[in-house]
Amino acid sequence: GAVVSQHPSWVICKSGTSVKIECRSLDFQATTMFWYRQFPKQSLMLMATSNEGSKATYEQGVEKDKFLINHASLTLSTLTVTSAHPEDSSFYICSARRTGVYNSPLHFGNGTRLTVT
Amino acid sequence: SQKIEQNSEALNIQEGKTATLTCNYTNYSPAYLQWYRQDPGRGPVFLLLIRENEKEKRKERLKVTFDTTLKQSLFHITASQPADSATYLCALDGPNTGNQFYFGTGTSLTVIP
Repeated sequence: GAVVSQHPSWVICKSGTSVKIECRSLDFQATTMFWYRQFPKQSLMLMATSNEGSKATYEQGVEKDKFLINHASLTLSTLTVTSAHPEDSSFYICSARRTGVYNSPLHFGNGTRLTVT
Repeated sequence: SQKIEQNSEALNIQEGKTATLTCNYTNYSPAYLQWYRQDPGRGPVFLLLIRENEKEKRKERLKVTFDTTLKQSLFHITASQPADSATYLCALDGPNTGNQFYFGTGTSLTVIP
């Protein structure tokens, strides 16, 4: 159990366009989901906490207008990279925590490799 | 600000030996600490969780210790195998960090046959 599906697994887009990444918890409900960014050979950098039915909480230094997060249901959160630029190229990973289970670990998607040309 | 450091960016050990990875943190009083494994191009996978009132936790060939005085966790893999080669990440959780998880810098482990 506890499967998180992230789509697409990779995407190439042109500079100035927007890209949407979906994160779904397939067999559990997740009131809270997290979005991370990872550069090569570096650790996960928390970008924002996505809360179902309310606004996301962004980490310091992350532009909320550039990285739009929507958590429309208990099983779906989306990250939209708006007006993408080459410096936005990275590996984006979402994770979800099972609702109502104390000490529940994070369940991760397999990431999205974004390349902006 | 959050600071979580893991020992040496890369660790190479011989098959059959015990690998020991270190996670040190500052400015925290986490209620619990978790360890994850990440393979290249994949999302991390949860391995073990240890609470602040637990000194040690085991799962098959894995063992985790948690010293809240030293602000340190040790992660051991006994009888290591080439299949254990991956990057291992520690993560802090708990009331003092809110609902977020913050990850360490990661240690890349290579088990040499």
